[in-house]
Amino acid sequence: AAGVIQSPRHLIKEKRETATLKCYPIPRHDTVYWYQQGPGQDPQFLISFYEKMQSDKGSIPDRFSAQQFSDYHSELNMSSLELGDSALYFCASSYGTSGRNEQFFGPGTRLTVL
Amino acid sequence: GENVEQHPSTLSVQEGDSAVIKCTYSDSASNYFPWYKQELGKRPQLIIDIRSNVGEKKDQRIAVTLNKTAKHFSLHITETQPEDSAVYFCAAPLDRGSTLGRLYFGRGTQLTVWP
Repeated sequence: AAGVIQSPRHLIKEKRETATLKCYPIPRHDTVYWYQQGPGQDPQFLISFYEKMQSDKGSIPDRFSAQQFSDYHSELNMSSLELGDSALYFCASSYGTSGRNEQFFGPGTRLTVL
Repeated sequence: GENVEQHPSTLSVQEGDSAVIKCTYSDSASNYFPWYKQELGKRPQLIIDIRSNVGEKKDQRIAVTLNKTAKHFSLHITETQPEDSAVYFCAAPLDRGSTLGRLYFGRGTQLTVWP
């Protein structure tokens, strides 16, 4: 079965640079969630989209923005990168907007900011 | 928002023993409780979930119990094996109004199963 795809899997950037993370949800899933997971921490919700519209916003810095496109893939754009942005970034997708629907996680993008 | 607390933070057991991880939540409206297993550097994977209309759910060696009155739910792993070693997260979604489906995770439990 098709799973959530994320690219790139690893990314190394310098401080103050920009990064773009991509997420391709499971076919027919209409909802995408982004989570950030620091070393030894639990995943923290950043932002979500349903049917190409932002549906919820969590602890996402103003330096970050995201969108969902007509083919339902999503991109997380990160600017003015800081050392503290180094983390695993997971995208998850689900069918429908209810929190009772299972969220399937992608393999993650490991971002390292030097 | 939802507040999910998880205990213990680390748990070491001998192969074949049982392991129990407990979580409490604050939002009495929460009605779905997933458990995720995460191996180092990999994605969280759903291993079992429970909805508020049942008190217990089992899947082979894994079971989850839910006490809505006390607002806590627990993961039980029986006959543990070394491959069960991982970090386990409990979670609860916030599903009210415009806040659709975001998951609040517990802090995680590092389970180590010694052969």
